[in-house]
Parts: sequence; C-alpha cells; structure tokens
Amino acid sequence: GESVGLHLPTLSVQEGDNSIINCAYSNSASDYFIWYKQESGKGPQFIIDIRSNMDKRQGQRVTVLLNKTVKHLSLQIAATQPGDSAVYFCAETLTGGYQKVTFGTGTKLQVIP
Amino acid sequence: EAGVTQFPSHSVIEKGQTVTLRCDPISGHDNLYWYRRVMGKEIKFLLHFVKESKQDESGMPNNRFLAERTGGTYSTLKVQPAELEDSGVYFCASSQVGTGGLFFGSGTQLSVL
Repeated sequence: GESVGLHLPTLSVQEGDNSIINCAYSNSASDYFIWYKQESGKGPQFIIDIRSNMDKRQGQRVTVLLNKTVKHLSLQIAATQPGDSAVYFCAETLTGGYQKVTFGTGTKLQVIP
Repeated sequence: EAGVTQFPSHSVIEKGQTVTLRCDPISGHDNLYWYRRVMGKEIKFLLHFVKESKQDESGMPNNRFLAERTGGTYSTLKVQPAELEDSGVYFCASSQVGTGGLFFGSGTQLSVL
C-alpha cells in the first residue's frame, strides 16, 4: 500500500504486506529528517532518521528514502504487523545549534489482520 | 532513566478559564520544546527553551499563551483565558544541545468546552 501523506491521511494495509508512507517537506535548506510514530495516548517516538548527504537508510524493518530534488521523503515498512498501526509523521530540521523540528500532517496506518 | 513527563494527561475546562500544563524534561536536557496538535492537523511548534531562556517563541499563537521555565528545569505553559480553538494535544519534548534526537512526553489532551 502507498500513501501520499497530505492527500491520503489514512493508509490501510494487510498484515504481512509492505507499507509505503510518503511525505513532502517544505524547506530546501533542511538537512536532517526524521520519521516519528505516534500511538494512541503516547507522544511521537523516533523511528529512523536520515541526513541530507544520504538518499537511503535502513533500519530493522524500516527504510527511509530521501529525494532532495523534489523534497520528498518516504518510509517503507516491511512485513507490516498489527503493532505498526499508528500515525506516522515526517519531520525536518536543520542540524547545528538548536533544532526547531517541523512536522508534516501525518498519515494514519491501519493494519488489517 | 525517566523520560519526559507531562501533567496533567487530560484537562477539560470551560471557555474563559485558565489552564496550566507542566513538563518535566529528561534530566540534563537543556533544550525543551512545546508543540501542539490540533485534531487532524500536523504537530505545530510553539516555542523552544535553552535552559531558562526562550530561544524561539515564534510559534506561540497569541498572548493568551505564556510559557516559563524557572531555573532551567521543568516548564509550564499557561493558557489564559482559554478559547475553544485551543483544544488539542500539547506535547513537550527535550533534547541535549547539539543532538538531533527529540524525546517526547505523552502529551496533555486539552479540551475547551
């Protein structure tokens, strides 16, 4: 399943399938990008990050892709599990000094058992 | 190690009343941020403290919002008088200076009736 973030705020995926959540960021000067997961009743939790000198970074079941040309981020979740159900936010910031993190709208991921 | 803690977790007040939210950051974190999420929208930056000083308060919506961080430890965010549009989830986050990782609290769900 695939989401365009701002235009499709809810993504439903069958358990075991791969999920792709997309995000368009706004500031071309941003050099550090983060994906957060927010479960109901909890604050956003760090999933994975990527710096602007990279275009891909992999975690345990997650991969983040960065396309600076079109200011686009995506989060890929392999073999989606029910515990992955949450709202996912992309965020951008500038490193060095203090960090004002700017969040995208968020995409709700629903995993169908 | 204790994470970022916020109090209360929920607050229901009437329009015109005053509410004070509290955030205790992770010990040793000089950066403290307030964010809020209004239903269905992105997580918006409110302000940023470095120790006891306001580094950036460009996100504060109006002068009904007052944030303080006495002694550079815990922070409070007061809304006086509260309006209906102030309803949402208020998140606090903290980080060490020079690092990219924000640690979020579970948030305060504010409902103004």
